[in-house]
Amino acid sequence: GAVVSQHPSRVICKSGTSVKIECRSLDFQATTMFWYRQFPKQSLMLMATSNEGSKATYEQGVEKDKFLINHASLTLSTLTVTSAHPEDSSFYICSARSTSGAGDYGYTFGSGTRLTVV
Amino acid sequence: AQSVAQPEDQVNVAEGNPLTVKCTYSVSGNPYLFWYVQYPNRGLQFLLKYITGDNLVKGSYGFEAEFNKSQTSFHLKKPSALVSDSALYFCAVRAPAGSARQLTFGSGTQLTVLP
Repeated sequence: GAVVSQHPSRVICKSGTSVKIECRSLDFQATTMFWYRQFPKQSLMLMATSNEGSKATYEQGVEKDKFLINHASLTLSTLTVTSAHPEDSSFYICSARSTSGAGDYGYTFGSGTRLTVV
Repeated sequence: AQSVAQPEDQVNVAEGNPLTVKCTYSVSGNPYLFWYVQYPNRGLQFLLKYITGDNLVKGSYGFEAEFNKSQTSFHLKKPSALVSDSALYFCAVRAPAGSARQLTFGSGTQLTVLP
């Protein structure tokens, strides 16, 4: 079945540094990538939606200059948290969607990245 | 706007007993409905979906859900719970084709199956 590989699974960084999270669709073309943020014991909050080759669409309240999303190819999307601060510590999950409907009517989730900013 | 409500933050059930995790939704048009399960520090695993057709949907690991249009509900059920079913469960909705493609998730329900 459709698989999305998300790396790293866990990262600890110093305040002020940048962190890049990658999501790769391994056996299908991800025309759309969704990036979510999840706080402990809470739901997934959509941060942004990106289509391959286009600029990402950010949800209200999400700083696009802080959370840089690149979706340059149909198999790779990246989320870069720039100048990270402790309040950016969270669990980040990507979800890839293919127009062919691969993976659960098109939605396949990565395994998540636990970001801790110290 | 589309929305999902999971009224119970926590559901406890004894192993071997039936379980129900509740979900109601609001969306324009015919909904696409999904259930996902999440284990600690992991992404979401797909359980089942309703797009069209039979209102009773059977999914992975013995789970099923019933789409009830009049009550705008999509409750998740399993006839006999296992301790290994203990996890965080999310209901999600998407508007039908032609509109926004993103999933909107409920707040999640923590299921604990007691041995």
